[in-house]
Amino acid sequence: GNSVTQMEGPVTLSEEAFLTINCTYTATGYPSLFWYVQYPGEGLQLLLKATKADDKGSNKGFEATYRKETTSFHLEKGSVQVSDSAVYFCALSDNDYKLSFGAGTTVTVRA
Amino acid sequence: NAGVTQTPKFQVLKTGQSMTLQCAQDMNHNSMYWYRQDPGMGLRLIYYSASEGTTDKGEVPNGYNVSRLNKREFSLRLESAAPSQTSVYFCASSGAAPGNTIYFGEGSWLTVV
Repeated sequence: GNSVTQMEGPVTLSEEAFLTINCTYTATGYPSLFWYVQYPGEGLQLLLKATKADDKGSNKGFEATYRKETTSFHLEKGSVQVSDSAVYFCALSDNDYKLSFGAGTTVTVRA
Repeated sequence: NAGVTQTPKFQVLKTGQSMTLQCAQDMNHNSMYWYRQDPGMGLRLIYYSASEGTTDKGEVPNGYNVSRLNKREFSLRLESAAPSQTSVYFCASSGAAPGNTIYFGEGSWLTVV
């Protein structure tokens, strides 16, 4: 079956630091890959996505590249801000449209 | 821009009580979902509805029932609440094609005592 594994948190960074959150997946088909973000007390929002191998998703300074050879979709941001403090979820969707989520990584950025 | 709207936002139940979580979307999406979120476990799919008139079990369906009332609405019912059902519940919707973005509601915080 499908599964997503992402690095455990929590992750604490200083403002302007580089952020990487690792995500690897197992899927039977050719999934689409997503990063969702959840700010405190809110629902999940799509951050970025990639639908085929070698695609790069990007949004708000975040990037992730769909690597089929390593079954990975690592999230990166070059310079984080306090407002990036949130829980980040890696997810995949196979041909049946349902999302399978990783456990989530809590990121705290200190001023 | 309502998107996905779910009610109630907060609810406290006693063990054995029943309740229904309501969800509606205004994006003309075919597919709708109910997830629960528990610490350290990400989101797990309870039930989904690929299209109006169909529902299917997800990863953790026990103790829940759903109704796809029409294309817009998808409700989740707890017939006899248990403390293990204390969680945050999210309704979501998407178009019916692989790779479509799934849009989430703001969540319903449920505590069963």
